[in-house]
Amino acid sequence: AQSVTQLGSHVSVSEGALVLLRCNYSSSVPPYLFWYVQYPNQGLQLLLKYTTGATLVKGINGFEAEFKKSETSFHLTKPSAHMSDAAEYFCALVTGGFKTIFGAGTRLFVKA
Amino acid sequence: DGGITQSPKYLFRKEGQNVTLSCEQNLNHDAMYWYRQDPGQGLRLIYYSQIVNDFQKGDIAEGYSVSREKKESFPLTVTSAQKNPTAFYLCASSIGTTPGKSNQPQHFGDGTRLSIL
Repeated sequence: AQSVTQLGSHVSVSEGALVLLRCNYSSSVPPYLFWYVQYPNQGLQLLLKYTTGATLVKGINGFEAEFKKSETSFHLTKPSAHMSDAAEYFCALVTGGFKTIFGAGTRLFVKA
Repeated sequence: DGGITQSPKYLFRKEGQNVTLSCEQNLNHDAMYWYRQDPGQGLRLIYYSQIVNDFQKGDIAEGYSVSREKKESFPLTVTSAQKNPTAFYLCASSIGTTPGKSNQPQHFGDGTRLSIL
């Protein structure tokens, strides 16, 4: 069965520090992987996606993620956190067909 | 600008009442989805539609109903049978679900927050 696990429901970093949000997946077929961001009382916005090809994917707002098949991971990183990065982040998996499987989300707090 | 419009932003339901949440998209997307979001539970799929006049139950369809009479519209009705309707509801769309299209992301509206009076 396909699944997505986000490690840590809450992550807190200082402004300027590295952001690392962890995502592991389970899939019996090659996956399509996405990271979305959600600000309070808003919908989800796409940060980046991995479909095929280059395993290091760059997204908006300085975020990037690396697809590691051997580790079944797709962790999201940003070298230097900004206050405006405070939001909830969702990792998502599509394995062909209609259904997107979302992780439970990780809320990022950024301290001044 | 193309996008998804959900209305209203806030909605209150009385006991025994049905309420309808609106979702309209002008992205010319074939597929549309309704999700329920509760704190700490991520997104749970209520219903989805791959084409006009067709829709399928998701993981938590009980107490909800939908219609897809037009490509751009996918309203969700929360019926009185849904005993715990308080949640944030998100509508989304995507290009399609056929091979070659399913690797495209979903686009989301800004949600409707439903509460019980």
